[in-house]
Order: sequence, then structure tokens, then C-alpha cells
Amino acid sequence: GENVEQHPSTLSVQEGDSAVIKCTYSDSASNYFPWYKQELGKGPQLIIDIRSNVGEKKDQRIAVTLNKTAKHFSLHITETQPEDSAVYFCAAHLAGQRGAGKSTFGDGTTLTVKP
Amino acid sequence: DAGITQSPRHKVTETGTPVTLRCHQTENHRYMYWYRQDPGHGLRLIHYSYGVKDTDKGEVSDGYSVSRSKTEDFLLTLESATSSQTSVYFCAISESAGANTEAFFGQGTRLTVV
Repeated sequence: GENVEQHPSTLSVQEGDSAVIKCTYSDSASNYFPWYKQELGKGPQLIIDIRSNVGEKKDQRIAVTLNKTAKHFSLHITETQPEDSAVYFCAAHLAGQRGAGKSTFGDGTTLTVKP
Repeated sequence: DAGITQSPRHKVTETGTPVTLRCHQTENHRYMYWYRQDPGHGLRLIHYSYGVKDTDKGEVSDGYSVSRSKTEDFLLTLESATSSQTSVYFCAISESAGANTEAFFGQGTRLTVV
């Protein structure tokens, strides 16, 4: 099956700095890569995603890049703010499965933005 | 927020007792999922459903069963709870099966088996 590795497990940045979280996946058939943000006491929420036929996608301060050859994808947050503090999960979705939510998740990155 | 309600939100139970967690959705989405979340392990899929009475196993299904008799309800049952099943359980729903379809998560149920 698919295996997703996520680094780093914890990340602390100063407000206004950039944060980068990296993930690698094992199955080249994976075709969809969502990123989720989880705040304390809540369920994960999708913040950005990318399909395998796209190399980069941006939404305001958040961007995701995908390198299919190397099988890795990254989340970039610019101009970080204290409210960006949360746990971030990457996931890889394998083509052909019956449900879009049947993804393999990374172990998460706890991001702390210091004011 | 997507209309997903998990119940109960918190539960403490004894080893060997049966436990049922409920996920209720008001979005009429076809696909529903149960995940567990443990420190250092991210989210792991237990079971999922692709329609009424249609379910399948995920990567950590041992010790769990599910049922879906109505579109809106997906039940997760621990037949005989063990301490290793202490975890936070999340239900998720999605509208379709293709890539690029967002999965919406519930608020979670914290289960402690003592």
C-alpha cells in the first residue's frame, strides 16, 4: 500500500517568517494530494490540494508544490500569523479507490508561530 | 461547516465492553469513513462505506465493525473494547469517489478504554 512520510514533526517560526512542510509518498499511482489543518479539539479541515497533473498551486499565503518524479510534495506558508499555529497533515490518494477520502496520511507537523 | 455530528464526543468504557460510535450527516454524501488518530500516527482508516449497506475495510480494521443502514448514519462498533483502542475517532464524508473531492471531518470522539 501507499506510505507517506512527513517532515518535520514539529516546526516553530517567528511571526512573518515562512514555513515549509515536506512529504514523500511511495506509490507513483497516487494522483491527488490534499493538505489538512487541524486546530486543537477539532477535526482536520482541507486547506489546499493538488492533482498529479499540476506542479504548483497557490491560494493567498499558502502554496503547494508537487514533484512527481521524486514523489514528494510540499506545503509553503508565507507571512505566517499566530492563527496558523496548528497541526498540518499531508495525504496521498491512490487512483482507483472507491472513495475520495480513502487517503493515506502523514503523521502530522505541529506548527507554532511565535508572535 | 459540513453537517457532520459525532456522538458521543467523549466516552470512558471498561475493557471487554461493547461500544458504538455514531456519525450522522445532513449532506446526503455517498461516502463515509471512520478514522482513528493516535499521537505520532496521523489518521488511519478503519472502515469506509460507499453506499447504504456497502462497506469495506481500511488499514486498521481488526476489532472494529461498521454498519450503514441509512445514507445519513454510519456506526462504528467495538465488539469488545481493549486498551489499544483508546484513541480519538473521526468520521469523514465525501460527495464523490474521484480525486480532487474534498473530505469533510467531524469533531471527533475521544474514547478511553480502562
